[in-house]
Amino acid sequence: DAKTTQPNSMESNEEEPVHLPCNHSTISGTDYIHWYRQLPSQGPEYVIHGLTSNVNNRMASLAIAEDRKSSTLILHRATLRDAAVYYCILRDVETSGSRLTFGEGTQLTVNP
Amino acid sequence: DSGVTQTPKHLITATGQRVTLRCSPRSGDLSVYWYQQSLDQGLQFLIHYYNGEERAKGNILERFSAQQFPDLHSELNLSSLELGDSALYFCASSVADSRVSPLHFGNGTRLTVT
Repeated sequence: DAKTTQPNSMESNEEEPVHLPCNHSTISGTDYIHWYRQLPSQGPEYVIHGLTSNVNNRMASLAIAEDRKSSTLILHRATLRDAAVYYCILRDVETSGSRLTFGEGTQLTVNP
Repeated sequence: DSGVTQTPKHLITATGQRVTLRCSPRSGDLSVYWYQQSLDQGLQFLIHYYNGEERAKGNILERFSAQQFPDLHSELNLSSLELGDSALYFCASSVADSRVSPLHFGNGTRLTVT
């Protein structure tokens, strides 16, 4: 599976935007970029995914670099409930099936 | 609420024993995935079933087995339990077997082996 690199931890203040980076320099043309998050004592939760274009949904925005070697998950106004581990995952059914391969993720702390 | 139900929530058992973890996927989802999360290993993929058939195996020990039944619920059987099997076990479901279908995770079964 192609690898992703994320910072171990990040901090933000409540009601401020948060930009969570992810590097994936070995991404292939068929890899989709997925983001999940895991709140304390819960299972992972789907956030967003994209292939080439930037994507928006009610939870977040995903900005994908033109060369696709990096992406950024954007939380527009962080809340205390957004404190979680955020995982950036590449997904290609042809090479690895539809499973998700989780790395270490980024622990996001949101300060009141 | 993801719609994925896992039972039991907690399980405490002794070494050498056998347990069964159960997962009911979201209505309409055909794929079921099992993951193990321990403190030192992170989230590890174990096995994937699609519409009753095994699709992929990950880091699943031979002492572990799983199946998906005709009603699409799934069971993960863990036998000859060791202390190191203590972990959170998550089940996830998705509507298809594709690179775009999101996975929906349950809240897990916490297994403690003493």
